[in-house]
Amino acid sequence: GAVVSQHPSRVICKSGTSVKIECRSLDFQATTMFWYRQFPKKSLMLMATSNEGSKATYEQGVEKDKFLINHASLTLSTLTVTSAHPEDSSFYICSARADNRGMSTEAFFGQGTRLTVV
Amino acid sequence: DQQVKQNSPSLSVQEGRISILNCDYTNSMFDYFLWYKKYPAEGPTFLISISSIKDKNEDGRFTVFLNKSAKHLSLHIVPSQPGDSAVYFCAARWGGKLIFGQGTELSVKP
Repeated sequence: GAVVSQHPSRVICKSGTSVKIECRSLDFQATTMFWYRQFPKKSLMLMATSNEGSKATYEQGVEKDKFLINHASLTLSTLTVTSAHPEDSSFYICSARADNRGMSTEAFFGQGTRLTVV
Repeated sequence: DQQVKQNSPSLSVQEGRISILNCDYTNSMFDYFLWYKKYPAEGPTFLISISSIKDKNEDGRFTVFLNKSAKHLSLHIVPSQPGDSAVYFCAARWGGKLIFGQGTELSVKP
């Protein structure tokens, strides 16, 4: 299947600093990527939909000024957690669709990033 | 409002027996349903999907059943193997987005 690479896999940062997470589709072009957040023992919560060349679409309750998303190319989307606080500590996962028409039933996921804010 | 629900947080099954994972949903506009398998600290891996116009899809040991009138789907794994032990998420697609359930942790004991 298609490969989505997410980096870093783990990051520890100090409160007040910013952290950037990268999501790359390695063997296909993805006009749309998604960013999720998973709390312990909880579902994957969709944070935003990232569209190449345009602004991301954020889900209700997600602060767009805090979670900056950039989709600079057809193979790269980044999520920047700005002015991180301990409550931002979580597991962040990106996914990408291989079908640019949006009809694909599959979404391929990155390995996830464990963010710990101390 | 949880549109996709997996009411069983965990399930334990003996190796060789059938594992049945359940999922309920509320939105009749979902057009595809998918099952993902996830290990700790990893991203989900796609297993199997079903269109809302079908009631069954089979792929090897995995079969997904969809009951639209009950807004219920289930994943059957038979025979279960220890390597199947993981968290299983059902997801429903609407408007190009996937909505996930809370997950069920499956443990297959040798």
